[in-house]
Amino acid sequence: NAGVTQTPKFRILKIGQSMTLQCTQDMNHNYMYWYRQDPGMGLKLIYYSVGAGITDKGEVPNGYNVSRSTTEDFPLRLELAAPSQTSVYFCASSTPMNTEAFFGQGTRLTVV
Amino acid sequence: DQQVKQNSPSLSVQEGRISILNCDYTNSMFDYFLWYKKYPAEGPTFLISISSIKDKNEDGRFTVFLNKSAKHLSLHIVPSQPGDSAVYFCAASSNSGGSNYKLTFGKGTLLTVNP
Repeated sequence: NAGVTQTPKFRILKIGQSMTLQCTQDMNHNYMYWYRQDPGMGLKLIYYSVGAGITDKGEVPNGYNVSRSTTEDFPLRLELAAPSQTSVYFCASSTPMNTEAFFGQGTRLTVV
Repeated sequence: DQQVKQNSPSLSVQEGRISILNCDYTNSMFDYFLWYKKYPAEGPTFLISISSIKDKNEDGRFTVFLNKSAKHLSLHIVPSQPGDSAVYFCAASSNSGGSNYKLTFGKGTLLTVNP
């Protein structure tokens, strides 16, 4: 009963480096999301997907890319890390009715 | 431009008393509202929700009230317990145009329940 699993839990990147945040869910949810949470702020939607092969931009997509080749996986790619991307990243999934979204434990990313 | 506002960054209550967390929204298209609870170093977990066709939804110690005319909702926790100490996020979505899967979150309110 894993739910939504994110890896890694913590990461420190240097400016200009790239990395992929992994997210997988075992609930067969069609919808998946990436949010970021900055200190003292709410969660902001980066990208979302309504099914395999379909992705779309959220509120703050700049500097990120996503792919959705399977129902289970929704990785988030940072190509050229910048200090402004220092944040806690949460992946989530839900059913089409979105009566509730299930969140992973988060990835704390620091760009120095 | 915050569409979902939680104007109280923090709230402190005594164990056994009522906790009332408030949330205001500006987008009249929002028609579904949720409360999430978040402990440190964990992801948010769903607590309770309410559709705009209702004005109240209750689940055990948790009750959410919706006042559509005032664009205001509140979460009541009675009685409050120390384990309720967490950050509470209000979130909203709109079914308009098929975008009901996108949640807009408030900044959160840190609730501390003192023994």
